[in-house]
Amino acid sequence: GAGVSQSPSNKVTEKGKDVELRCDPISGHTALYWYRQSLGQGLEFLIYFQGNSAPDKSGLPSDRFSAERTGGSVSTLTIQRTQQEDSAVYLCASSLAGTGSFSYNEQFFGPGTRLTVL
Amino acid sequence: AQTVTQSQPEMSVQEAETVTLSCTYDTSENNYYLFWYKQPPSRQMILVIRQEAYKQQNATENRFSVNFQKAAKSFSLKISDSQLGDTAMYFCSEAGYRNSGNTPLVFGKGTRLSVIA
Repeated sequence: GAGVSQSPSNKVTEKGKDVELRCDPISGHTALYWYRQSLGQGLEFLIYFQGNSAPDKSGLPSDRFSAERTGGSVSTLTIQRTQQEDSAVYLCASSLAGTGSFSYNEQFFGPGTRLTVL
Repeated sequence: AQTVTQSQPEMSVQEAETVTLSCTYDTSENNYYLFWYKQPPSRQMILVIRQEAYKQQNATENRFSVNFQKAAKSFSLKISDSQLGDTAMYFCSEAGYRNSGNTPLVFGKGTRLSVIA
């Protein structure tokens, strides 16, 4: 079956512009995660969705970052007024429902979007 | 709070030899898993091996095995018979699980492994 897909694969933008990054999770996966991978850093968690709600937004670095998920499927990460420090690879992952199961559900990753802010 | 530390930014190994990547962690979760992910230049994160923290037996997947020392909070990855295709970034990570849901993965900064012919 199809895996997690992300678009665009690469995005180059100018400082101060807004960007939208898209994630299509695996069908049936109700949990969705966004991570950021900066140069020389590991992956850092940004936000987690369970269905359309985001119970954990603790990783969003500033109020310029927001995300939404509609129909329990596609998610969009929006960065407003981009800064050079936003340059990174943004990875999305999805998993089966994480609630009520008391077990770990494997996260499957997309190929990421490489964002370059000039 | 959860932290994962990988102290080896880069490593290299001769083809067919064995290499061990180190990882230590700290967590406040009672129930958690530990993982090693591989990230080749394609950027695709690939799960290599997982270890349930409540299991004492070390996980093994073909040429990959772990040495899990729970009291020491250590979780190293051993790659046997290294192959050129093993060249990649390797990330150690940890996540908790509860009835209310899984916690996000917490990653180390990675170890860049080069397998030399």
